[in-house]
Amino acid sequence: EVQLVQSGAAVKKSGESLKISCKGSGYTFTNYWIGWVRQMPGKGLEWMGIIYAGNSETRYSPSFQGQVTISADKSITTAYLQWRSLKASDTAIYYCARRPPGGPFDIWGQGTTVTVSS
Amino acid sequence: QSALTQPASVSGSPGQSLTISCTGTSSDVSIYVSWYQQHPGKAPKLMIFDVTKRPSGISNRFSGSKSGNTASLTISGLQAEDEADYYCSSYATSFTYVFGTGTKVTVL
Repeated sequence: EVQLVQSGAAVKKSGESLKISCKGSGYTFTNYWIGWVRQMPGKGLEWMGIIYAGNSETRYSPSFQGQVTISADKSITTAYLQWRSLKASDTAIYYCARRPPGGPFDIWGQGTTVTVSS
Repeated sequence: QSALTQPASVSGSPGQSLTISCTGTSSDVSIYVSWYQQHPGKAPKLMIFDVTKRPSGISNRFSGSKSGNTASLTISGLQAEDEADYYCSSYATSFTYVFGTGTKVTVL
């Protein structure tokens, strides 16, 4: 079964760092892109950035460039989303999603809830 | 890059059809428009891609179209299980994407 399994919920304080993960299984991890999407409480979906698992080529939305870091470790078929210094406004659910070259986001992770207190 | 514009809500009775629009600039609404369904507390699910294509397992009650700068999702034979939030998405340029503002579908 093709699936993306994300790390569990995180509760942090402002200024702390965080790295959440997204593990792919059931498919050839290096043949696909992994994207990250933010959903703030009661709000819509926002595309943050994307990484090609085969060579770690990365693209960011202008809104998130410099705010987060996307990376991947193909040896363990896992992509990551990282913050160096969290803010209360980072409180949201974060989804990873698989994208085949030229295709849509076809498989989604279950989401990771990040709560940041000020 | 601004979000694509969708109506905040649409509603219909069981068995009816309804259409959700998704409007942007000519460069935003490309041939790579997708639609996602999201039930409360769940991850989004791909319903339509490349404007008109359905992934395997998606009911043919869901269909997509595009005219100019507006893409549309039509749900035919509305069922209670279709009640959810729906988001359009478009691939723009240089591996950048944009989502729509989202539409809440209510089955009366």
